Amino acid sequence: NAGVTQTPKFQVLKTGQSMTLQCAQDMNHEYMSWYRQDPGMGLRLIHYSVGAGITDQGEVPNGYNVSRSTTEDFPLRLLSAAPSQTSVYFCASRINRSWGEQYFGPGTRLTVT
Amino acid sequence: AQSVAQPEDQVNVAEGNPLTVKCTYSVSGNPYLFWYVQYPNRGLQFLLKYITGDNLVKGSYGFEAEFNKSQTSFHLKKPSALVSDSALYFCAVSSGSSNTGKLIFGQGTTLQVKP
Repeated sequence: NAGVTQTPKFQVLKTGQSMTLQCAQDMNHEYMSWYRQDPGMGLRLIHYSVGAGITDQGEVPNGYNVSRSTTEDFPLRLLSAAPSQTSVYFCASRINRSWGEQYFGPGTRLTVT
Repeated sequence: AQSVAQPEDQVNVAEGNPLTVKCTYSVSGNPYLFWYVQYPNRGLQFLLKYITGDNLVKGSYGFEAEFNKSQTSFHLKKPSALVSDSALYFCAVSSGSSNTGKLIFGQGTTLQVKP
């Protein structure tokens, strides 16, 4: 199993550009999440999905969209990038919404200039 | 609303000494508590969890954590620190009564183990 994969590893955007961060898992996990990590602020939940076709907002959803058309994929879209979105983004998955161990991808480091 | 606090930005300990990384939480309903570790330029790795049962839970790499309901704490401990334990540690909480399964993380504590 590859586990949770994320692409790209690094990305530089100009303000106003759009892009999609890709996330995929091959463990047949129902539950997937996106977090951003900023110094001194820990990980903050952006969006999550309890299964294909179902998504919901986390703590900091503004400026981000998600969709979950398949169990495996959970892309995160930035429609109009802003410097405040400079961060490291982590995708995670676990078997379902209950208390199971959460598996994290390696992260995407995004810089918005 | 759920929240987690890790009151120390950094913990310094000498190799061979015991270590404690502190975590307190606030949640409605029964707490599900977790510790994760992050090494430089890597994703987070699961260390241990408390769901129910014995208040002392054991995890990976010799770590353990003690759940204290009255103090709403879940401190991470290890009897003898190794230099290789140096990393960023995150405490996280989910509510057992929640149907969303949201896992909320603390700010993180950097553990520095000196030889």
